[in-house]
Amino acid sequence: TQLLEQSPQFLSIQEGENLTVYCNSSSVFSSLQWYRQEPGEGPVLLVTVVTGGEVKKLKRLTFQFGDARKDSSLHITAAQPGDTGLYLCAGVVQGAQKLVFGQGTRLTINP
Amino acid sequence: EAQVTQNPRYLITVTGKKLTVTCSQNMNHEYMSWYRQDPGLGLRQIYYSMNVEVTDKGDVPEGYKVSRKEKRNFPLILESPSPNQTSLYFCASSAYRGHQPQHFGDGTRLSIL
Repeated sequence: TQLLEQSPQFLSIQEGENLTVYCNSSSVFSSLQWYRQEPGEGPVLLVTVVTGGEVKKLKRLTFQFGDARKDSSLHITAAQPGDTGLYLCAGVVQGAQKLVFGQGTRLTINP
Repeated sequence: EAQVTQNPRYLITVTGKKLTVTCSQNMNHEYMSWYRQDPGLGLRQIYYSMNVEVTDKGDVPEGYKVSRKEKRNFPLILESPSPNQTSLYFCASSAYRGHQPQHFGDGTRLSIL
């Protein structure tokens, strides 16, 4: 059983469309990180959210941490082909000192 | 440039032939770890090290060994590889603890025939 469930696992959309990726759990997290991984490379940190209800923006990407710190979302506005990649969420379980990763969302933006 | 370097990047080998994947970081990070990435399962931690000579099991340690004799290096050893260890492996480091953002290497794709 996956502690962190990401959905959808695969998403293919046209350039210019908007999309949202979800990261859900029944556990409470101290913080949550989002990474992007491109083919042949390791994951690269995009953002860390720490406070319940926190919203962070990175250009066209908006990250939100749920009020109860059990879930998070990544919203991309006007997706570009350069957004193509594997998006991973990773949570720090409260009281633990390790990361737990979701399965990932493989995003393809078609020109 | 701050980086985590893994070698080799690709390896095809046979069951039972011992192999070592090296990992080196140049950021003076205390915490290092190894993950394997499999389709539909995300990244799962194999072993981690909080400092020199301090290592511990992650979530999927069976069939693997590690050592941390120097701060910068954290090799992953497969003493007797089996086909179910075919996977994409990542080494990662962070400044102090495992819950902090991780710096990942570019991965090692292992195929065990």
